[in-house]
Amino acid sequence: SQKIEQNSEALNIQEGKTATLTCNYTNYSPAYLQWYRQDPGRGPVFLLLIRENEKEKRKERLKVTFDTTLKQSLFHITASQPADSATYLCALWLYGGSQGNLIFGKGTKLSVKP
Amino acid sequence: EAQVTQNPRYLITVTGKKLTVTCSQNMNHEYMSWYRQDPGLGLRQIYYSMNVEVTDKGDVPEGYKVSRKEKRNFPLILESPSPNQTSLYFCASSLSEFYTEGYTFGSGTRLTVV
Repeated sequence: SQKIEQNSEALNIQEGKTATLTCNYTNYSPAYLQWYRQDPGRGPVFLLLIRENEKEKRKERLKVTFDTTLKQSLFHITASQPADSATYLCALWLYGGSQGNLIFGKGTKLSVKP
Repeated sequence: EAQVTQNPRYLITVTGKKLTVTCSQNMNHEYMSWYRQDPGLGLRQIYYSMNVEVTDKGDVPEGYKVSRKEKRNFPLILESPSPNQTSLYFCASSLSEFYTEGYTFGSGTRLTVV
């Protein structure tokens, strides 16, 4: 079955540095991959979506890459700020299944220190 | 304001007492979904719905029921709750077009079954 792994449970970085989070998946490649941000006790918030035929997508200080050969997506936050501290989740749609069947990784908790 | 509304936010109940968690969205979204989130296990999909009267099982459907009689509402029903259903529950919705945006999540329902 399809699995998603976010390699780090936690990542601590200094303010101003670039945070890089990793999402790996097994088996077949998804049609697209999504990234969400979740603050404690709150629902996830959609950030970015990247399609299988796209190498890179940017939104302000956020950048997502998608390498279907490595079966990996990288999520970058440049010039990180303490307000970026949160848990970041990747998610993918099971290709060939219903578009509603979106499965999530367990997340990486990012802490940005001043 | 475009949003997904879940009720109640907090609920403590006893084993075996039927309960319903309501979910409503005001964005005319076709796709709706229920997830539960547990420490160490991440977000796991319970059920999803692609449109009115169309529902399907996610990864952990046992012990739950759903219905989609109207486009805006997608209630989650626990016929006979058990302590292992103690969890944080999220409802989410999305347009049918998954290639441009992800799910919009509700604020969550924290359920405790004693």
